Amino acid sequence: SQQGEEDPQALSIQEGENATMNCSYKTSINNLQWYRQNSGRGLVHLILIRSNEREKHSGRLRVTLDTSKKSSSLLITASRAADTASYFCATAPPRGTTDSWGKLQFGAGTQVVVTP
Amino acid sequence: DSGVTQTPKHLITATGQRVTLRCSPRSGDLSVYWYQQSLDQGLQFLIQYYNGEERAKGNILERFSAQQFPDLHSELNLSSLELGDSALYFCASSVAPLSRYEQYFGPGTRLTVT
Repeated sequence: SQQGEEDPQALSIQEGENATMNCSYKTSINNLQWYRQNSGRGLVHLILIRSNEREKHSGRLRVTLDTSKKSSSLLITASRAADTASYFCATAPPRGTTDSWGKLQFGAGTQVVVTP
Repeated sequence: DSGVTQTPKHLITATGQRVTLRCSPRSGDLSVYWYQQSLDQGLQFLIQYYNGEERAKGNILERFSAQQFPDLHSELNLSSLELGDSALYFCASSVAPLSRYEQYFGPGTRLTVT
């Protein structure tokens, strides 16, 4: 079973627009990570937000985390055609649990298409 | 380029066969993870090694096994292959085994079982 679920499943926008996708999860976490995957290729780590953080920025990316709602959002501002990819959230279990060794649980992903 | 290498890129084989997928982690990374990505199951964690020892296990079938060698490269062995094993297999590495570190993914091996 998957811990994280992304919403929407797919998103189509034009260059210059912002893209927002959400991730909901079920159990407590140590951190939540976002990854990008271009078609059929390996995943690329985008950003990691810890459970005691509420917001984080990296370039055109902004991630928020609401642990009370067990949800996170990823915002890509001023999107470009090169941002076309699938975006996955992944949750890491809390420290001290038997699963804390590095077992990330990925959601099903949001497919983003940015048209010129 | 993440620095993680995987071979081969593509593998086509028949049901019942056995294959070995190979992964070399980034220089300096001691922890290796294996994931399976398929259309129906999504991205599933299979197994993790740290400095040669198994650290965590996920949804890995008994027909699958893995190991990490002293030079830190890892191999994933898949045997008695079934059509449903067709998937992308990713290896990832991180500097330490704890999940608070980001993982660097290889380009994957696409396995097709016919």
